[in-house]
Amino acid sequence: AAGVIQSPRHLIKEKRETATLKCYPIPRHDTVYWYQQGPGQDPQFLISFYEKMQSDKGSIPDRFSAQQFSDYHSELNMSSLELGDSALYFCASSFKSFSGNTIYFGEGSWLTVV
Amino acid sequence: AQKVTQAQTEISVVEKEDVTLDCVYETRDTTYYLFWYKQPPSGELVFLIRRNSFDEQNEISGRYSWNFQKSTSSFNFTITASQVVDSAVYFCALSGANTGNQFYFGTGTSLTVIP
Repeated sequence: AAGVIQSPRHLIKEKRETATLKCYPIPRHDTVYWYQQGPGQDPQFLISFYEKMQSDKGSIPDRFSAQQFSDYHSELNMSSLELGDSALYFCASSFKSFSGNTIYFGEGSWLTVV
Repeated sequence: AQKVTQAQTEISVVEKEDVTLDCVYETRDTTYYLFWYKQPPSGELVFLIRRNSFDEQNEISGRYSWNFQKSTSSFNFTITASQVVDSAVYFCALSGANTGNQFYFGTGTSLTVIP
């Protein structure tokens, strides 16, 4: 079965540069979530979108922005990158954004800021 | 506030042993949902199980079983006859009815199965 597709899988950027991560949800899923997982840490919720509108906001820095497009794919834009932004970024998707719906994660995008 | 505690940071077992991973949660929501995810060394997060707060029936699925007890706010996960491929970090997560579908993860338990 098709899963959540994330690209790129690995990304190396320098401090103060900009990075964009893409996420393609499971077909027919209308809700997308972004999580950040630092080294040895648990995943932290950043932001979510339902039907192209922001539905929930977590600990997303102001330097980051995201959106969901008409085909339900989502992009996470990160500017003025800092060393502390180095992490594994997960996108997840679900059908509807109801509480308790299982969310399915992609394989993650490894961002390294040097 | 939602909180998930996985007190076991690292566990090592010899292959074929049984192992239980502990998860304790805190929530003020009367309706909530609990999950277990597995993160193998390759990094992806794999969904294992979901439980509603109003469904305390425990379940066995192959070598996996789950023990949900509301009285102690625990949602423990047991692997029977562990295998090397079970080596991974296991995360317990909570989603409350009043917090959208935002997941709160525990800090994870790193399981190593020694051949």
